[in-house]
Amino acid sequence: GAVVSQHPSRVICKSGTSVKIECRSLDFQATTMFWYRQFPKQSLMLMATSNEGSKATYEQGVEKDKFLINHASLTLSTLTVTSAHPEDSSFYICSARDRARYRNQPQHFGDGTRLSIL
Amino acid sequence: EDKVVQSPLSLVVHEGDTVTLNCSYEVTNFRSLLWYKQEKKAPTFLFMLTSSGIEKKSGRLSSILDKKELSSILNITATQTGDSAIYLCWAVAQGGSEKLVFGKGTKLTVNP
Repeated sequence: GAVVSQHPSRVICKSGTSVKIECRSLDFQATTMFWYRQFPKQSLMLMATSNEGSKATYEQGVEKDKFLINHASLTLSTLTVTSAHPEDSSFYICSARDRARYRNQPQHFGDGTRLSIL
Repeated sequence: EDKVVQSPLSLVVHEGDTVTLNCSYEVTNFRSLLWYKQEKKAPTFLFMLTSSGIEKKSGRLSSILDKKELSSILNITATQTGDSAIYLCWAVAQGGSEKLVFGKGTKLTVNP
């Protein structure tokens, strides 16, 4: 089945560091990828929708200069948390939509990245 | 404003019990409703419901959509501890770019 690889799975770094998270669709083309954030014991919160070859669409309240999204190819989207601070610590998950088969299973998820800012 | 409301937010049952999770939606240009299960990491897909009144079934799980009542239920029979998870309900709206409306999830705990 479709696989989405998200890397790294865990990051621990100092405040002020920029962190890049990659999301790859391994066996399908994904014209659209989604980035989510999840706080403990809460549901997923959509941060942005990433379309290949165009600018990402950010949800209300999400700082686009803070969370940079690049979707340069049909199989790769990246989320960069710039100048990360402790309040950015969270679980970040990406998902990708198989443009050929999305009507049967709209999104395939990566395993998430646990970001901890010290 | 589009919204999806799940109930209950939290539920604790014993193994063997049957549970029903509820999801109601108010979404402009509704297209489909999705159920996902999230354990420790990424959500796993359960069902996509587009047509009203047609039950979808996978093992002990089943789900049905009621477009008249703007709601869906997810049933789990003979629950097991492995069913403990957050169950997410999302509505998909038609549009130029697909719009997703998320519920807050139901946290199910199945005790032995």
